[in-house]
Amino acid sequence: RKEVEQDPGPFNVPEGATVAFNCTYSNSASQSFFWYRQDCRKEPKLLMSVYSSGNEDGRFTAQLNRASQYISLLIRDSKLSDSATYLCVVPFYGGATNKLIFGTGTLLAVQP
Amino acid sequence: ETGVTQTPRHLVMGMTNKKSLKCEQHLGHNAMYWYKQSAKKPLELMFVYNFKEQTENNSVPSRFSPECPNSSHLFLHLHTLQPEDSALYLCASSQEPVNQPQHFGDGTRLSIL
Repeated sequence: RKEVEQDPGPFNVPEGATVAFNCTYSNSASQSFFWYRQDCRKEPKLLMSVYSSGNEDGRFTAQLNRASQYISLLIRDSKLSDSATYLCVVPFYGGATNKLIFGTGTLLAVQP
Repeated sequence: ETGVTQTPRHLVMGMTNKKSLKCEQHLGHNAMYWYKQSAKKPLELMFVYNFKEQTENNSVPSRFSPECPNSSHLFLHLHTLQPEDSALYLCASSQEPVNQPQHFGDGTRLSIL
């Protein structure tokens, strides 16, 4: 299993739809997770942190399933402005060096 | 957001030039990172500095040389780059431990002629 794996998409959804992305990870020791959003030709921006079973912020809900080693991001009532690439991020504990591993991202295109 | 500032925003250079990218963070973090992002590819971690000490060099060619004079500043010195080095170079900072998120600068878009 890859360290972090995401469906690259694209996910094409109409405005107002609900869409969910999954992300699987291989390191069972990971304790916290992040979802970032990256717009085209821009830097990644933190969307949500997930430190326990899940987190909710407005239309966005992140859930963590430790047993199956996956996290999900649910977006309700999609807006045109939600169109972006969503990056799943998982910590890696490598002894001398700990770092964050970024997934390849899932592309979301919300259609009018 | 001005938490992490990178300069320049855009850079065009020839293969024989020497230039430097600069990153400054105003968040009080103690870890800083350089990433490379090529077109339609995921982020590639290049270097990690923790309390000014380099803790990761991800098999990066020696034509890229990082410098971290203090926990707020990070440089990436470039010399004799290749066309395949054209990419978006992103600086990030975080508060250790690794369970904390990273905050990114706007990036430097580098083009090698």
